[in-house]
Amino acid sequence: GAVVSQHPSRVICKSGTSVKIECRSLDFQATTMFWYRQFPKKSLMLMATSNEGSKATYEQGVEKDKFLINHASLTLSTLTVTSAHPEDSSFYICSATRGAGYGYTFGSGTRLTVV
Amino acid sequence: DQQVKQNSPSLSVQEGRISILNCDYTNSMFDYFLWYKKYPAEGPTFLISISSIKDKNEDGRFTVFLNKSAKHLSLHIVPSQPGDSAVYFCAASGRDSNSGYALNFGKGTSLLVTP
Repeated sequence: GAVVSQHPSRVICKSGTSVKIECRSLDFQATTMFWYRQFPKKSLMLMATSNEGSKATYEQGVEKDKFLINHASLTLSTLTVTSAHPEDSSFYICSATRGAGYGYTFGSGTRLTVV
Repeated sequence: DQQVKQNSPSLSVQEGRISILNCDYTNSMFDYFLWYKKYPAEGPTFLISISSIKDKNEDGRFTVFLNKSAKHLSLHIVPSQPGDSAVYFCAASGRDSNSGYALNFGKGTSLLVTP
């Protein structure tokens, strides 16, 4: 149980376009979803936390107008990278939890390449 | 500010021997600690966790030790197998996080188990 599906796994887009990444909890209701970004040789950096039905909480330094997060249902959160630039190229990972004490399940990640 | 630190970026161990991966944290409010294993281009997979009320948790070949006074935890893998070769992330969470129970990750330790 506790499966999180993240799609797409890889995406290449042109500079200036927008890309949407989906994160779905397949067999549980995720009250909270998290979005992380991984830089080479660095840890997973938390970008934002989203609770179903409310606005996402962004970490310091993360542009909320650039990284749009929507958590419209208990099983789906989306991250949209708007007006993507080459420096946005990275590995993005979501995770979901039912709540405190239930543990975290990670998606398989999305490799974004902006050309 | 890195609240979870894995000071060894890499570790090489011979098959059959013990692998010890270390992790230090600075935030005394952290009360739940996890280890994740990550292969390239994949999301992290959960390995083992420990809450602050315990000092040891064992699951098969994997044992996590927690020393709260030293703010230190370690993951022991015995015996090490070539399939254990991956990057291991230490993560911690606590109630004072601005983002609820979001995980704070270390930078990871790349483990190589040689035949």
